[in-house]
Amino acid sequence: DAGVTQSPTHLIKTRGQQVTLRCSPKSGHDTVSWYQQALGQGPQFIFQYYEEEERQRGNFPDRFSGHQFPNYSSELNVNALLLGDSALYLCASSLGASVYGYTFGSGTRLTVV
Amino acid sequence: QQQVKQSPQSLIVQKGGISIINCAYENTAFDYFPWYQQFPGKGPALLIAIRPDVSEKKEGRFTISFNKSAKQFSLHIMDSQPGDSATYFCAPFLGSWGKLQFGAGTQVVVTP
Repeated sequence: DAGVTQSPTHLIKTRGQQVTLRCSPKSGHDTVSWYQQALGQGPQFIFQYYEEEERQRGNFPDRFSGHQFPNYSSELNVNALLLGDSALYLCASSLGASVYGYTFGSGTRLTVV
Repeated sequence: QQQVKQSPQSLIVQKGGISIINCAYENTAFDYFPWYQQFPGKGPALLIAIRPDVSEKKEGRFTISFNKSAKQFSLHIMDSQPGDSATYFCAPFLGSWGKLQFGAGTQVVVTP
């Protein structure tokens, strides 16, 4: 039973560019949440998707957007990249509203130069 | 406003010793109190969690102590092993469709 799968593992982008990160949830899960973890800090909630809609959003600018597909997979898009966007981006999946079984992927390490 | 304060920032303990990490929160509506363990290059993994109607929960060498009136909960790692060397996060959760509110993390190093 595959867990949460994220791609790519690592990514280097230039300031001002756009990036798309991908997440496949754990089998049986239908809710996807995205977190940003800066170096040496705890993860910060970006947004959550359920039934292909953004359910709730953290304190992140509109440059951060997402999408959920009918198969429950999700994408995180970041436009106009800043150096400060360099971080580990984590995807977590769960079933509906429940926190039980909340499972994280290994993340995508984004470096903006 | 920081809702979750975790201490200490780092901890060095000898093999066989006890590691204690504390977490203080402000939002009394939190209703689920987990601790996550994260190894370098990996995502956080649930270690142990407690509901607010229970004051203590033990799973193997890991124990959560919960003090509702003080708005604090702590993680105790007994008989610490080198394999426990990791970063630990408290991440209280609020209700249905909530989000995990992570602390800043505690880096634990267990020396042989």
